[in-house]
Amino acid sequence: KAGVTQTPRYLIKTRGQQVTLSCSPISGHRSVSWYQQTPGQGLQFLFEYFSETQRNKGNFPGRFSGRQFSNSRSEMNVSTLELGDSALYLCASTVSGEKLFFGSGTQLSVL
Amino acid sequence: SQQGEEDPQALSIQEGENATMNCSYKTSINNLQWYRQNSGRGLVHLILIRSNEREKHSGRLRVTLDTSKKSSSLLITASRAADTASYFCAISSAGGTSYGKLTFGQGTILTVHP
Repeated sequence: KAGVTQTPRYLIKTRGQQVTLSCSPISGHRSVSWYQQTPGQGLQFLFEYFSETQRNKGNFPGRFSGRQFSNSRSEMNVSTLELGDSALYLCASTVSGEKLFFGSGTQLSVL
Repeated sequence: SQQGEEDPQALSIQEGENATMNCSYKTSINNLQWYRQNSGRGLVHLILIRSNEREKHSGRLRVTLDTSKKSSSLLITASRAADTASYFCAISSAGGTSYGKLTFGQGTILTVHP
């Protein structure tokens, strides 16, 4: 089976722009979670989707949003980018709800 | 803020030595997991221990869990240079809706010298 695929791998944006990141989960995995990783805050949970419904959400401002499609692929969007949004964004999928399988991440740099 | 606190923050050892990392947490858990990350890439699941388990083994990995002390440790025996990576504990909190949500520690950077 193919692993979790995230695109793009690297992204450079300027303040005020918006960005959309994509995640394709492992085939058969219906739950997709998103995490933000920064040197200062570490790994922080953004949100989780299952069958196109957001079931769980972390403590991030409304500028961070996501969605899931009927094929379980997921996207996350960040609007009005700030310098502090520079981070590695990781997507993970699971079938059991326990063990997470992570993608390689999208490294976002906001200039 | 991170619920999981790990120590040490960094660990440097020689090949063949054992490496021990510790994790402490604050709330009740469903399970505690350990993940490994190489150089800013994705995380790889290593092992999961449930709240009613005390010890678990997987290859060269041994995990212990003490729910009374709210702590866990990961032991890697006979370390290899390829074990060089960051190691994170992650907590699945008990109760409520914790779908897909793990709370990660800040991680331990392990360097194994050949």
